[in-house]
Amino acid sequence: GQNIDQPTEMTATEGAIVQINCTYQTSGFNGLFWYQQHAGEAPTFLSYNVLDGLEEKGRFSSFLSRSKGYSYLLLKELQMKDSASYLCAVRDSNYQLIWGAGTKLIIKP
Amino acid sequence: DAGITQSPRYKITETGRQVTLMCHQTWSHSYMFWYRQDLGHGLRLIYYSAAADITDKGEVPDGYVVSRSKTENFPLTLESATRSQTSVYFCASSGGNEQFFGPGTRLTVL
Repeated sequence: GQNIDQPTEMTATEGAIVQINCTYQTSGFNGLFWYQQHAGEAPTFLSYNVLDGLEEKGRFSSFLSRSKGYSYLLLKELQMKDSASYLCAVRDSNYQLIWGAGTKLIIKP
Repeated sequence: DAGITQSPRYKITETGRQVTLMCHQTWSHSYMFWYRQDLGHGLRLIYYSAAADITDKGEVPDGYVVSRSKTENFPLTLESATRSQTSVYFCASSGGNEQFFGPGTRLTVL
């Protein structure tokens, strides 16, 4: 079967750094996505990785290792507005997105 | 307004009734998707469409019907609503890698 695993909840302090991990087992791989979803709102796109390595975009970075079936999202200089759920999704061989259940990130002052 | 919209935003219905959720996008994206989101689950794909008049089943299609007569619209119909279909429904569209999501419809089936 297809499976995306990520921690259910994480807590971090304002101004700090947090890493949210995602492991996956899917039938085929055509890219990995990270989305942010604030409570009661729609998911919004953060990053896309298709090759191994690190993609940096401002305070957010995303890393991919295809051989390990592993990705992480790194958030630096945390702000209170970063409190949200972070969704990991893998595009499989049918070009459909398989989604993890999301990681709820709580930022404390 | 440009973007992707859904209506209604909130809906309460009764078991056995037919319900249609609307989705409209102004980007002329080829691909459109319907997901449901439930606590403890990731987004689950119900149906998707690669172009007008082309639709296909996703992971959880049972009890749902879709159509796409125009590129910009992708309605989702629950033919006979059940309590297990209580959920938040998101429509999305894509013209490349990224999917853009509508604001969601919160559906409650009593």
